[in-house]
Parts: sequence; structure tokens; C-alpha cells
Amino acid sequence: AQTVTQSQPEMSVQEAETVTLSCTYDTSESDYYLFWYKQPPSRQMILVIRQEAYKQQNATENRFSVNFQKAAKSFSLKISDSQLGDAAMYFCAYRSDFTGGGNKLTFGTGTQLKVEL
Amino acid sequence: KAGVTQTPRYLIKTRGQQVTLSCSPISGHRSVSWYQQTPGQGLQFLFEYFSETQRNKGNFPGRFSGRQFSNSRSEMNVSTLELGDSALYLCASSLASGVAYEQYFGPGTRLTVT
Repeated sequence: AQTVTQSQPEMSVQEAETVTLSCTYDTSESDYYLFWYKQPPSRQMILVIRQEAYKQQNATENRFSVNFQKAAKSFSLKISDSQLGDAAMYFCAYRSDFTGGGNKLTFGTGTQLKVEL
Repeated sequence: KAGVTQTPRYLIKTRGQQVTLSCSPISGHRSVSWYQQTPGQGLQFLFEYFSETQRNKGNFPGRFSGRQFSNSRSEMNVSTLELGDSALYLCASSLASGVAYEQYFGPGTRLTVT
């Protein structure tokens, strides 16, 4: 079974600064997808960024980028130029590329990000 | 396009009762997945339905069941409610299952069992 670990329960960042959230995972599969989801106080889960394991290039989406280290099974999220609206719980998630796995997501425990003025 | 909708948004039930939650996916989406979110256990996968068939099931007791209708709307049912079933129940819809389609989450149903 796959597991996802987020070792930082809480992180703080000053507005306009950069912060990195950590995620490690354990799997015996070679093909999979990794995601970062954001859950603001409204509880609506929003996809921030995704990474396909077969792609060596790190994914980027505007101010959000990842550092994907497949051998180390590490998948960190970097938020640049942090904004007040970035304050939320961030979840790292894994999805198998195995056909039988369907759309099942395995989530980490989350990192609560606070953005300070 | 309208997003994923879940009804009701809030629900209070008594231990031993049963409850049915509904999820309407984005138009054209055929896969619906359900997750339970609690402070203690985090986000856990319940099950996924695709084209009216259960595609995958998480590690939950048989009290938790679901179904999907021909219009892709899905319901989940919890029988004989326990205090520990108090949680935020999220559903997510996707165009299909098992391929690289993005999943879109609904706002959730907050279930409180007293």
C-alpha cells in the first residue's frame, strides 16, 4: 500500500516571501501521479499542481512549483511571492497509474500554511 | 459549467440512525469518488463509482455503501450511525476513471452524529 507523509503540521511565511512544503511518499510502483491540493477554510479542495512520475521536468503553475525527486520519493511544493490568499491547509496526494487503481487518492496529513503581513 | 454539488451541506443525526448523502458531478463526468475527512484519520478514500459500477473501495465497514445512477449522480449511505462517523464527506468527480483526468471536489457535507 502506498503512504504519503507530510512532516510539517504547520508552516508560516511572510507575505511576498517564499515557502517550501515537504512531502515524501512510499510506493513500489514506477508509474503514478502526485498532487498538491489546497483546502481553504471554506473546505473546498482545490488542485494546485500535479506531477506525472514519468516526467523528469518539475511542474510549475504560476507562483507554485514542485521539486520532484523520484529516487528519493520526495515531492515538495514551493510557493513564491506568498499572498494572504495562500493561507490554507495543503495536502500532498498520490494516485496510482495502475488501471485497477481507478481515481483513488491517498492523502498526507496536511500542512497548515499561515501567511503573515 | 456548474461545479460539483453536494447535498445537504450540513446534517445532524442521532447514533443508530442512517443517512444518505448526495453528490451531483460536473456535467459529462462519469466518475464519482467519496472521501471522509476527520481530524483524527485525515482524508480517507471511501469508494469510487464509474458508469454505475463500483470501481474501487477503501477500508471501511459494510455500513458504508454507495451507488451511482445513470445520470452519474451518486449517493452514499451510512447505516447504524456511530459517533465516529462525524466527519466532512467530500465527493470528487472526473471525466473517467483510471486515467490522467483531473478530479474536481465538491464543497462537502458536514455530518454530525450525536
